[in-house]
Amino acid sequence: GAGVSQSPRYKVTKRGQDVALRCDPISGHVSLYWYRQALGQGPEFLTYFNYEAQQDKSGLPNDRFSAERPEGSISTLTIQRTEQRDSAMYRCASSSRQGIAYNEQFFGPGTRLTVL
Amino acid sequence: QQPVQSPQAVILREGEDAVINCSSSKALYSVHWYRQKHGEAPVFLMILLKGGEQKGHEKISASFNEKKQQSSLYLTASQLSYSGTYFCGTAGGGADGLTFGKGTHLIIQP
Repeated sequence: GAGVSQSPRYKVTKRGQDVALRCDPISGHVSLYWYRQALGQGPEFLTYFNYEAQQDKSGLPNDRFSAERPEGSISTLTIQRTEQRDSAMYRCASSSRQGIAYNEQFFGPGTRLTVL
Repeated sequence: QQPVQSPQAVILREGEDAVINCSSSKALYSVHWYRQKHGEAPVFLMILLKGGEQKGHEKISASFNEKKQQSSLYLTASQLSYSGTYFCGTAGGGADGLTFGKGTHLIIQP
């Protein structure tokens, strides 16, 4: 089957605009994770879901960032009033079981966000 | 807290061995290892759960010392395809997310 997909792959926006990044996990995967990855750095955890329930949002940088997964499948990460420091690669990952500690995560190709 | 990886980078000849270390200041439940090639997504290698477990995947194996909160990744008889950046991710066992280190860049030369 298909892997994790993300759209758009590239997004250029002006400072102050809102953006919505979409993640389509592997079919049947119950957990979905959002990360941000700066160039040359490891993925930085943002938030994750088990089914439709958001489990941990402690990694979201501030209240401009939010995420939802209303039907337990596709997820959207929304950044309001974007700032230049939000520029990064945003990746999502999914796994077949709930939780973090013992689950292999399959990463998507990412969305490269550039805020001008 | 972000785990610390060492070395930051290593250059090897094909066929040589490498060890990559990952150390955390917090109690760990599991350690995850991923490899990322330039311009690609991270790819899962293995998970080690607390208990001093050692796992292997062909010529790549790893150990986890929960008392020292350290894990090591061993690459034996390295192949050109092993080149990339290796990340360890740590989990504390609660609902907190996975915390990745800054990565170790591995270059394998023919």
